[in-house]
Amino acid sequence: DQQVKQNSPSLSVQEGRISILNCDYTNSMFDYFLWYKKYPAEGPTFLISISSIKDKNEDGRFTVFLNKSAKHLSLHIVPSQPGDSAVYFCAASPEGNMLTFGGGTRLMVKP
Amino acid sequence: DVKVTQSSRYLVKRTGEKVFLECVQDMDHENMFWYRQDPGLGLRLIYFSYDVKMKEKGDIPEGYSVSREKKERFSLILESASTNQTSMYLCASSFPGEGGETQYFGPGTRLLVL
Repeated sequence: DQQVKQNSPSLSVQEGRISILNCDYTNSMFDYFLWYKKYPAEGPTFLISISSIKDKNEDGRFTVFLNKSAKHLSLHIVPSQPGDSAVYFCAASPEGNMLTFGGGTRLMVKP
Repeated sequence: DVKVTQSSRYLVKRTGEKVFLECVQDMDHENMFWYRQDPGLGLRLIYFSYDVKMKEKGDIPEGYSVSREKKERFSLILESASTNQTSMYLCASSFPGEGGETQYFGPGTRLLVL
């Protein structure tokens, strides 16, 4: 049973609009959450993170929101750019750096 | 800049063959990880190592083994490759005790088992 789920395998957004990627988790021991971005033929790279003591973290065009009661997090990209087209993985950790990944969402930003 | 390299980008092997996937990192990281990535399943941890000659099973260790003889090198071994091991294999490294953002990934090896 997947402890971290990304229910949308793909998302298509127009350039300049907002992209919202969602992630749900089941393990209440998770207290640290991350988003990774992966281009084809490359390894994933860290994008943004949030700890359970916060409900929002922002870094430029990227904002992650955490709703602990709903066990839900989301990544907002505003404005979306064609270079943001990639697969996005959410990941969660109960401690240290052992990560459990979601299945990924492929984002396509159309010019 | 951290560099994690993997010995092959693409591999084609036959069922029953022994397969070695090599990973090398140049940042003196204690922790090293092997994941496989499959569509819809994300990245699943196969094995990890927190020191030379130390190894721990991840979520899906069956059919795999690992070797960590030197700090910078972590090898994944498929003793007898099977078609259900066709996948993208990703290696990562990090310092211990830090957040998950410090996992640095290699480019991946796409393995096809015929």
